[in-house]
Amino acid sequence: AQSVTQLGSHVSVSEGALVLLRCNYSSSVPPYLFWYVQYPNQGLQLLLKYTTGATLVKGINGFEAEFKKSETSFHLTKPSAHMSDAAEYFCAVSENSGYSTLTFGKGTMLLVSP
Amino acid sequence: DAMVIQNPRYQVTQFGKPVTLSCSQTLNHNVMYWYQQKSSQAPKLLFHYYDKDFNNEADTPDNFQSRRPNTSFCFLDIRSPGLGDAAMYLCATSRNGQGDEQFFGPGTRLTVL
Repeated sequence: AQSVTQLGSHVSVSEGALVLLRCNYSSSVPPYLFWYVQYPNQGLQLLLKYTTGATLVKGINGFEAEFKKSETSFHLTKPSAHMSDAAEYFCAVSENSGYSTLTFGKGTMLLVSP
Repeated sequence: DAMVIQNPRYQVTQFGKPVTLSCSQTLNHNVMYWYQQKSSQAPKLLFHYYDKDFNNEADTPDNFQSRRPNTSFCFLDIRSPGLGDAAMYLCATSRNGQGDEQFFGPGTRLTVL
């Protein structure tokens, strides 16, 4: 069975500050890992994903995440927050074996203040 | 642009009155998913189709049904909506299941009076 834990239901940063959203996963097989963003009253949009290869993954809007197998983590970062980054962020895991669906974390709301 | 479309965006129904939500895709993807998302919660998978094969999650209530008449369309039927079924319903697609990105529609917000 697979699961995702996102630490912190809300994270507040100032505009221009570093963004760090934490995600830890549990999976019985090597995982595929995803970060999605959701703006109010909209669907989810993929920011980035890790499947195989390079463990540092770059995504859209300046976000990146690093897969650390030893820590079972896939934290999302952005060097400098913009007001437009305010949204809810979901980490998700899919098992790298056969056919599998996504398991989402509970989400982290990112608040950006001027 | 290839996309996932959900209609309507907002749906109001009465307690116990059947309702159908619609999803269509122009991506020609094999897999279509229905999620329920309540306020400030993660999306919860209700069921999905891999082509014509229907896969129901173990904890999806019998009140929820789905149809996929062809590759492009998928419907969510709620036979007797209760107040607890008020939520955002998200449709998503993926080319296949393993490791593929899921593309989400904008969602239908269901209100039950």
